[in-house]
Amino acid sequence: DAKTTQPPSMDCAEGRAANLPCNHSTISGNEYVYWYRQIHSQGPQYIIHGLKNNETNEMASLIITEDRKSSTLILPHATLRDTAVYYCIVRVGTLYGQNFVFGPGTRLSVLP
Amino acid sequence: DSGVTQTPKHLITATGQRVTLRCSPRSGDLSVYWYQQSLDQGLQFLIQYYNGEERAKGNILERFSAQQFPDLHSELNLSSLELGDSALYFCASSVTAGSGNTIYFGEGSWLTVV
Repeated sequence: DAKTTQPPSMDCAEGRAANLPCNHSTISGNEYVYWYRQIHSQGPQYIIHGLKNNETNEMASLIITEDRKSSTLILPHATLRDTAVYYCIVRVGTLYGQNFVFGPGTRLSVLP
Repeated sequence: DSGVTQTPKHLITATGQRVTLRCSPRSGDLSVYWYQQSLDQGLQFLIQYYNGEERAKGNILERFSAQQFPDLHSELNLSSLELGDSALYFCASSVTAGSGNTIYFGEGSWLTVV
């Protein structure tokens, strides 16, 4: 199973871009990279996912390296409400069933 | 609001008892997932159902069981409860069962065993 490695914590100044790295060196060719975040003890919130190309949506941008061994989630203008634990996930599964394996994630603190 | 509904939001019960947690998936989603999150552990995958059929199983204890009904709602049954079962239990849903599907989480059910 592909594993991910993230820094345990990061700080970011409010209004600045938050860049959260993730290593997934054992990812296979057909595995997607997903990002979720969890604010306090709320349900994990889907942010973005990608396979090979960079992706952008209204919440964030996802940059995946060409060799797909690492990726970076970018929150372009972090606000205090972005303080959360961010999870980088490589989904494990087949067409039959799947599992999202959550690691410890990165605790992002957005500072005023 | 993800569209996944879980009840009850909070539950306190005694050791040895049995509880049932309920989940209604997002409209149109056929697959449901159950996760457990305790203070000392991260999100642990328990089990996945698709259209009533079990599709993937994680570290679910034998004291725990789940099912998905014809109307697609799901229930997680926890029996012979122990103090260590105190946790936040999340349900998630997706359109289909396999790879390529984003899962969306509910707000969870807090279970406290005393």
